Amino acid sequence: DAGITQSPRHKVTETGTPVTLRCHQTENHRYMYWYRQDPGHGLRLIHYSYGVKDTDKGEVSDGYSVSRSKTEDFLLTLESATSSQTSVYFCAIRGGTDYEQYFGPGTRLTVT
Amino acid sequence: QQQVKQSPQSLIVQKGGISIINCAYENTAFDYFPWYQQFPGKGPALLIAIRPDVSEKKEGRFTISFNKSAKQFSLHIMDSQPGDSATYFCAASRYSGGYQKVTFGTGTKLQVIP
Repeated sequence: DAGITQSPRHKVTETGTPVTLRCHQTENHRYMYWYRQDPGHGLRLIHYSYGVKDTDKGEVSDGYSVSRSKTEDFLLTLESATSSQTSVYFCAIRGGTDYEQYFGPGTRLTVT
Repeated sequence: QQQVKQSPQSLIVQKGGISIINCAYENTAFDYFPWYQQFPGKGPALLIAIRPDVSEKKEGRFTISFNKSAKQFSLHIMDSQPGDSATYFCAASRYSGGYQKVTFGTGTKLQVIP
């Protein structure tokens, strides 16, 4: 998984609680991404980062925020989790070419 | 709006057969077309990619065919093996808003039966 770890790998939480997912990379990549994967939707970009403290929104950013205080860590926060945010979340880094992305192992989040 | 349409949603192929997955796109600004392979419990991994100025690219048993005028591209898996059973995502990439944006298809779950 190209030196990418995600934590936790599984989480069950209740509606209305805050949740933070962590992505950690060991290869000093500048670009990092958060996607969610849902049946029938493929992978959809939530937020991305192009450097420390430099982040921007993707196509499904409502209800999510991110932070990147160090090159190696990219955090995704659900301020108040809802059932519609039940999904598998993947972190990715940009690879050697523009179109190539390396994905982490994913975090399965269930909001009850 | 789904910018990359992928079909079929699922596919069952016998061992040794040819698996074919099709994708269509609308935005002519896309400049790379990668395919990703995902095994259960894992993240997607880049399989093969093609630029729009090339009509075909082959890597081992995997071939991308690209039809720029029709805005369609497809993945062919020759001599399909049970180990190829996975979900395959086509994608299209373009530079937009300061970053390389990758738009994924909805995925095809391939099962290769012995």
